[in-house]
Amino acid sequence: DAGVTQSPTHLIKTRGQHVTLRCSPISGHKSVSWYQQVLGQGPQFIFQYYEKEERGRGNFPDRFSARQFPNYSSELNVNALLLGDSALYLCASSSRMTDGYTEAFFGQGTRLTVV
Amino acid sequence: GDSVTQMEGPVTLSEEAFLTINCTYTATGYPSLFWYVQYPGEGLQLLLKATKADDKGSNKGFEATYRKETTSFHLEKGSVQVSDSAVYFCASSKAAGNKLTFGGGTRVLVKP
Repeated sequence: DAGVTQSPTHLIKTRGQHVTLRCSPISGHKSVSWYQQVLGQGPQFIFQYYEKEERGRGNFPDRFSARQFPNYSSELNVNALLLGDSALYLCASSSRMTDGYTEAFFGQGTRLTVV
Repeated sequence: GDSVTQMEGPVTLSEEAFLTINCTYTATGYPSLFWYVQYPGEGLQLLLKATKADDKGSNKGFEATYRKETTSFHLEKGSVQVSDSAVYFCASSKAAGNKLTFGGGTRVLVKP
């Protein structure tokens, strides 16, 4: 089975532009989370979606938004890009949300460079 | 809020040396604890986990014990290989939901 797939793998954008990143979870997984990993730092939680509803949001500005589609794939959108948005964006999928931990499987990420 | 602190790297070792990476956490309640590994150019892979106090997670020769009294989850391996060179992340997750809180990562370089 395919793992978590993200597209594109790399992209370069100019300050002020908009970007859309895409994620396809593992088949059967209904939860998708997004993380931002700035170079040299640990990933920071941005959003979690489950069954097409937002279930969690990290401390990121409103320029960041996301959605989940009926097939459980997800998009992360960032408006008015800043140089500081340059990072590796990671998508993670898990089978469900429960009171206990459900393992999250990560994709290889999208490397965004803002110039 | 919840946070995870781990020792800064880089940690440089010779092959077959003993590896320890310290990790401490702050959280309300009793989170689950994890170690993830990131090889160059790749995403994160779960290395091991522990979901309650005194649990020991283990995988590929790595071990970590959930210590509630010291709020720690130190990673150890008795004999490292060159292939263990990677960045290691300690992380926590509350019981409800799957949001992970990561430490800053520790780069480990193992030399032959």
